[in-house]
This record gives sequence, C-alpha cells and structure tokens, in this order.
Amino acid sequence: LAKTTQPISMDSYEGQEVNITCSHNNIATNDYITWYQQFPSQGPRFIIQGYKTKVTNEVASLFIPADRKSSTLSLPRVSLSDTAVYYCLVGISSGSARQLTFGSGTQLTVLP
Amino acid sequence: NAGVTQTPKFRVLKTGQSMTLLCAQDMNHEYMYWYRQDPGMGLRLIHYSVGEGTTAKGEVPDGYNVSRLKKQNFLLGLESAAPSQTSVYFCASRPTASYEQYFGPGTRLTVT
Repeated sequence: LAKTTQPISMDSYEGQEVNITCSHNNIATNDYITWYQQFPSQGPRFIIQGYKTKVTNEVASLFIPADRKSSTLSLPRVSLSDTAVYYCLVGISSGSARQLTFGSGTQLTVLP
Repeated sequence: NAGVTQTPKFRVLKTGQSMTLLCAQDMNHEYMYWYRQDPGMGLRLIHYSVGEGTTAKGEVPDGYNVSRLKKQNFLLGLESAAPSQTSVYFCASRPTASYEQYFGPGTRLTVT
C-alpha cells in the first residue's frame, strides 16, 4: 500500500503559525482526512477532520486541495504546550482494498 | 463518561505465552479499532470492527485475533506472544456519523 508521508520534524517559535503537510496520493474516494495530536505516553487526540476545501475549528484549520492528494494542518499562534507529534489519518486505496493508514508523524517543537 | 478504557495498562509476557487485552467504551460507538505503536513510530492498524459481532483485518493482523461480542467491548488476543509484538497497544472508537476517533490510554506490552 502507498504510504502517507509527513515531514519528520518542524521547529517554530511561540506565536507563529505552523503548517504541517501530509501527502496521501491514493486516498480512498469517500474517506475523510483526520489529524491527531499525541503527547508522550498518551493516546492520540483528535484535532480536526475534513473532506475537501477548508475546515476551521477553534484550534486549527485544515486545507485540502481539489485533488485531495495532500492536506495541510494549520495551527495559528502556537504555544509551548503545542509541542507534540502530529499525525494525519486517511483511508488509502490499493486496488479493491482500502486501508486506514496513519502518517509517519511530525514532531513539532515550539521554542520560546 | 469514562470514554475509552484499556486493561491492563502494563504487561510483561514470556515468548509463547498468551493474553487478552480488553478495550471498553461507554459512548455507544459502532466502530472500534486496535492499533500498535512501536517506539518512535506511527500507529498501525491491527484489526477493527464496524459493529457488534463483526471484525476485519487491518494493516498488521498476523499473530493477533479479535472479538466483538458486545458493542461496548473489543478484545485483542495474542495466542503465542513473540518479542516482535513488544509495543504499545491503543484502542479507539468512533461513532458512525463522524471520523473522529477517541483513543484509550494504551497498554504497554513487553515480550521477553
């Protein structure tokens, strides 16, 4: 199965906007894209979900182009407490099969 | 609401031993999932269930079995543990109407 790929790590300063992109070339036709945040020794926590275009909630925005082969999580004005690993989760198609697949994860470090 | 709970939190097994991990959710969710997360890695789907009495294979099902006899419980079994199954196991659930998954706190399993 084709994988979903993300940058391994990113650094940012407090107060900046951070954009993390996930590539998913073989996303299943009807699947939504979801993003999660994970702190050490904890289970992932849901951030946002979307199917196409732009979605915004109280903590993040999600941008999805028309071809849906990638998605970008945008975190406005990050703080030190946003230091975590961020994952995308999508359904990936391979022939007639569909497999729910997490991205490799992006370690975001927010610096003071 | 307790959300998603997992039992036990920690376990050490010897090669060849068997055990069952229990996941329970009190949100009346239809979908339930078992993932494994190896050190420094993303999550990989082992098995999932789309409703009571149903199960399906994920990306890495070999060496594991599951059962969903009650809607609120999803059991993951290891019949003959191997060192390669040393990992953190996460359970998750979601409602039919959303792709948001709710994760449990994880079970840390070591096979020696």
